[in-house]
Amino acid sequence: EAQVTQNPRYLITVTGKKLTVTCSQNMNHEYMSWYRQDPGLGLRQIYYSMNVEATDKGDVPEGYKVSRKEKRNFPLILESPSPNQTSLYFCASSLYRGIAEAFFGQGTRLTVV
Amino acid sequence: SQQGEEDPQALSIQEGENATMNCSYKTSINNLQWYRQNSGRGLVHLILIRSNEREKHSGRLRVTLDTSKKSSSLLITASRAADTASYFCATVFSGNTPLVFGKGTRLSVIA
Repeated sequence: EAQVTQNPRYLITVTGKKLTVTCSQNMNHEYMSWYRQDPGLGLRQIYYSMNVEATDKGDVPEGYKVSRKEKRNFPLILESPSPNQTSLYFCASSLYRGIAEAFFGQGTRLTVV
Repeated sequence: SQQGEEDPQALSIQEGENATMNCSYKTSINNLQWYRQNSGRGLVHLILIRSNEREKHSGRLRVTLDTSKKSSSLLITASRAADTASYFCATVFSGNTPLVFGKGTRLSVIA
């Protein structure tokens, strides 16, 4: 089954404690991206990757890092989480950027206290 | 980023009625996509309509695109309680740009 898998689904952490949210897709997609979703603000892109070892900033990259060492994996790293990063996070992949449908993971609800 | 804007923000209808949601955007697009999100879960792609297309259908879904008015509409016919969700339009401004999402329309279908 074609899918994007994120882990964990829920995470509560403390300010400053480094964390990683994993994302994996099994569709051999080149393009992967991370979004955060906040009430009243909709979905905003954090980082994206056009292919292995090719990552770039989206609209709200501050406080986040990503890596793309393999085509299927695109982890999101918060080196020093802060309460304003409390949000619902989604990983997405598509065959190409923009011109093909995007497949989304189930989301990670992160709370930073 | 330029976002599409959905209208209305919230819509409540009875089961069996039709639901219409609109999306307006500001600049020329390559394509426009509609997604559904059940509460707190991942988005699911519904339809992609290209700038040279005017209408597309998928089951009970009908999407129209009017590039002269820079607007699109999503019609769900004979709605069901299971259609209760948020619906987002996402615009793509050129062939190699990311999806830009609107803030969504929250649809409630009452049985």
